[in-house]
Amino acid sequence: KQEVTQIPAALSVPEGENLVLNCSFTDSAIYNLQWFRQDPGKGLTSLLLIQSSQREQTSGRLNASLDKSSGRSTLYIAASQPGDSATYLCAVHSGGGADGLTFGKGTHLIIQP
Amino acid sequence: DTGVSQDPRHKITKRGQNVTFRCDPISEHNRLYWYRQTLGQGPEFLTYFQNEAQLEKSRLLSDRFSAERPKGSFSTLEIQRTEQGDSAMYLCASSPRTEAFFGQGTRLTVV
Repeated sequence: KQEVTQIPAALSVPEGENLVLNCSFTDSAIYNLQWFRQDPGKGLTSLLLIQSSQREQTSGRLNASLDKSSGRSTLYIAASQPGDSATYLCAVHSGGGADGLTFGKGTHLIIQP
Repeated sequence: DTGVSQDPRHKITKRGQNVTFRCDPISEHNRLYWYRQTLGQGPEFLTYFQNEAQLEKSRLLSDRFSAERPKGSFSTLEIQRTEQGDSAMYLCASSPRTEAFFGQGTRLTVV
């Protein structure tokens, strides 16, 4: 059974810092990995999708990497801003689509102004 | 707005009542998923539709839960005889193939 772990569970940093969020998964036979952002009481916003054949994806100040063989992904946020405060969720797709995503518990990020 | 739409956004119900939630996916997406999220946890997969066919159900989906997607368009999730443990955020997602797009969720509170 696939399990996803996110470290740290919570993080508070001053505005402007670069930061790294970590995600690990137990079964390396994944189809893809997706990073999401969730604001309190809201749904999930897709940030980046990495296919199993890819090593990284970039969008603006966000960069996600994938090392499938070691079961790890990182989300790098450059020049953090207070608006980046949210919970960041990592999810893996282990099959061809039928089994849904397996999520970690998320990293709760606070950017101090 | 052409994103995933869920209705209602909030629902408070008494224990033992039945509730139904609706999800309207992005129109060209043939894949539709339901998830449940409790406080402090990541979403957990409940069920998957490809077009109108329900192809996968999690063991979390007890016999009090039923989901439909008539004509492969919108979907409904019904919970019968609600229990306090059903209180959660119910999230719907649609996908054209790989990337999942989520709605804003329905927050269910069972009192």
